[in-house]
Amino acid sequence: NAGVTQTPKFQVLKTGQSMTLQCAQDMNHEYMSWYRQDPGMGLRLIHYSVGAGITDQGEVPNGYNVSRSTTEDFPLRLLSAAPSQTSVYFCASSSPPYSGTAGELFFGEGSRLTVL
Amino acid sequence: AQSVTQLDSHVSVSEGTPVLLRCNYSSSYSPSLFWYVQHPNKGLQLLLKYTSAATLVKGINGFEAEFKKSETSFHLTKPSAHMSDAAEYFCVVRIGSSNTGKLIFGQGTTLQVKP
Repeated sequence: NAGVTQTPKFQVLKTGQSMTLQCAQDMNHEYMSWYRQDPGMGLRLIHYSVGAGITDQGEVPNGYNVSRSTTEDFPLRLLSAAPSQTSVYFCASSSPPYSGTAGELFFGEGSRLTVL
Repeated sequence: AQSVTQLDSHVSVSEGTPVLLRCNYSSSYSPSLFWYVQHPNKGLQLLLKYTSAATLVKGINGFEAEFKKSETSFHLTKPSAHMSDAAEYFCVVRIGSSNTGKLIFGQGTTLQVKP
């Protein structure tokens, strides 16, 4: 049972560099999302997708891009990294509530990003 | 607007004593509420969920939570703490009646369990 797989687990960037955080799920979930976790702030939603070809912004979308070309994959792109983007990033997926799981989120183990 | 407040940022208990982690919410709709647990360097895992069925919800590892509409609370309890319960706990409310799974997280409560 792979579940939600995130890569890389750790990354150090210099200011202005770009990179992509990868997320893949094998549960055929329609809903996928990216969160960032910062101390004392819980998790904040960056972007989400309710299906292939459909994405939308969350609470803190600035500086991040996403795309959803397949059901399985939902990469998060940082176009020009800034120190404020130093954080732990979590990808999560979910099936709709009408399936009986009431939107339970399944999380990856996180990607720790440091921007110098 | 929907929101969730965890009343304690840090809770410390001794092993074998009860655990109480407090959560209040505000929601314009009948809410769906969740508790997630995060162990160090791990992703979040669902402990339990309330979705307008029974108000007392039982979860994994002996945890339970009671939905109290009059108090707008969803506190997490466990009768006897175990060392393995040391983790961060998040109370979460799902926005309205949407099926998109869009959730609002509380700020988290760190549970310390002393031997």
